[in-house]
Order: sequence, then C-alpha cells, then structure tokens
Amino acid sequence: GNSVTQMEGPVTLSEEAFLTINCTYTATGYPSLFWYVQYPGEGLQLLLKATKADDKGSNKGFEATYRKETTSFHLEKGSVQVSDSAVYFCALSVLSGGSYIPTFGRGTSLIVHP
Amino acid sequence: NAGVTQTPKFRVLKTGQSMTLLCAQDMNHEYMYWYRQDPGMGLRLIHYSVGEGTTAKGEVPDGYNVSRLKKQNFLLGLESAAPSQTSVYFCASSLRRGLTDTQYFGPGTRLTVL
Repeated sequence: GNSVTQMEGPVTLSEEAFLTINCTYTATGYPSLFWYVQYPGEGLQLLLKATKADDKGSNKGFEATYRKETTSFHLEKGSVQVSDSAVYFCALSVLSGGSYIPTFGRGTSLIVHP
Repeated sequence: NAGVTQTPKFRVLKTGQSMTLLCAQDMNHEYMYWYRQDPGMGLRLIHYSVGEGTTAKGEVPDGYNVSRLKKQNFLLGLESAAPSQTSVYFCASSLRRGLTDTQYFGPGTRLTVL
C-alpha cells in the first residue's frame, strides 16, 4: 500500500536556525508529493509540491526535493521565524485502483522560540 | 470568495445522538473530501466525492454517511455518535481528482462525543 512516514515531533528551534523535517514514502506507482502546513486553529494549506523526480518545490523560504532513489521529500528552511511555528504534513497522491487516493503523514509539530 | 467553509465550528454530542456537518465550497471544485484528525494519527480519509450525486468510501468510513446533492455542498452525517468519533473533522476540495491537484481545506469542526 501507500504510506508516508515523517519524523516525530515536536521539533523545537531558536529563531534563525536551520530546519529539516524528514519525510519518506512508499507508493505503488509514481506519486506526486506535497507539504501542507497547519497553523494553530486553522485547516491545512499547501506549502509546496513536486510532481516528478528531482523536482524542487519551494515557497516562503521552504524547499523540498523529490528524491526517487531514496523515496524521500525532506522539508528544509535556512532560517526559521517564530511565525513558522505550525504542524507540517507530508503527503502523496498516486493512482491506486483507478482512483487518486491522497495519503498524509502524521504531521510534525514545529515550535520556534524567539 | 470564501473558499471552503464548515458548519458548525464546535459541537458536543451525547452518545447515540445524531448530527450533520456541512461543508461548502465556492470554487466550483469537482472533488470533495472528509477527513478526521486525531492526535498522533494525522489525517484519515472518511469519505469522498468525485462529483455531484456521487460518494465513495475512504480509509475509515464506518459510522459515517455522506451526501453530495449539490456540487458546492458535501454533508457528513453521524447517525449514532460514539465517543470514538471525538475528533477534529476537516473538509477539503480540489478542482479535479488528479495526480498533481492541490486540496483546499476548511477550518475544521471540533466534535466531542460524551
């Protein structure tokens, strides 16, 4: 089946630190990969996505590269801000049994201190 | 353009009671989804719809029913609520059910079943 594994949180950083949140996946086909972000009290919103191997998705200083050889899509940011405190979800979409079933990871909470 | 809205935002039920959660989107999206979010479990797909008048089961459909009588609305029903259904429920929509499509999420409904 399809699955997404994310590093457990919370991840606690000081402002301006470097961020990495690991994400690996298993999929029965060739998936598209996504990172969604959930700010406190809100629904999820798309942060970035990549649709084929070696693609790099980027947005708001975050980036992730689709690595087919390691089945990974790690999220990185060079200098985090307090406002980046949120829960981050890695997700995939792949054709399975005639439908595109979205699969989400469990989420990783990021806490950034001033 | 309100995006995806959910009604109500909060609800407390007693075991055995019934209720309906309403999701509405004004983006003319074909596809709509209902998820539940539980601590440590991430998002799990309950039911989804690929168009007006259609519904299909997701990963955790038991105890829930859905209807999509109008393209813009997707209703989630609990016929006889159980404490195990205490969760945060998110509705989402996408333009089409494709490999690369972004999902747009509502703000969530926090349901407590006593």
